[in-house]
Amino acid sequence: SQKIEQNSEALNIQEGKTATLTCNYTNYSPAYLQWYRQDPGRGPVFLLLIRENEKEKRKERLKVTFDTTLKQSLFHITASQPADSATYLCALGVTGFQKLVFGTGTRLLVSP
Amino acid sequence: GAGVSQTPSNKVTEKGKYVELRCDPISGHTALYWYRQSLGQGPEFLIYFQGTGAADDSGLPNDRFFAVRPEGSVSTLKIQRTERGDSAVYLCASRTGTAEKNTEAFFGQGTRLTVV
Repeated sequence: SQKIEQNSEALNIQEGKTATLTCNYTNYSPAYLQWYRQDPGRGPVFLLLIRENEKEKRKERLKVTFDTTLKQSLFHITASQPADSATYLCALGVTGFQKLVFGTGTRLLVSP
Repeated sequence: GAGVSQTPSNKVTEKGKYVELRCDPISGHTALYWYRQSLGQGPEFLIYFQGTGAADDSGLPNDRFFAVRPEGSVSTLKIQRTERGDSAVYLCASRTGTAEKNTEAFFGQGTRLTVV
């Protein structure tokens, strides 16, 4: 069956450290992968997109990798801040690449 | 409007009743999506429109759920004979959906549906 898995347990880290979140997928062949941030009571907000032919993408303190052989994406936040505390969702572009399918999300807590 | 607007923000209804949830996408966005999100879960795909037509409705859980987008802009998600298990946040998103297929999706704040 098709699955998109993210760490279900919350990730707790200290301010200033690098947070690394994982997205693994099964039985999908995505053309691209996106990462979103979601705060409580709000809709997801787009952060980064990486295409299947790209290995790595960076934006300010954010870095995303995409390994289509391992069927995995890693999302890094360097020099983390308490304001980075939120739930982070990965989404695959599938089925003609317009359909977006989301993972379960990982909650990140950054302590001062 | 400036962003995706969903109304109402909260809806409480009795089991068995009919509800309509509205989504007003960003002007000019041809692709529109409906998702359902339960507490602690990621958004679950329901349906997506390209223009006026439903390009993929494979996520609709059963025939009690139906969505329309008659003029290619505003969309309405309709739920008949609501059940307590339908309680969730219903999210709408839109994106430009023509030449550039892998663009970002813009989400509304969601409609929290509670069936009592």
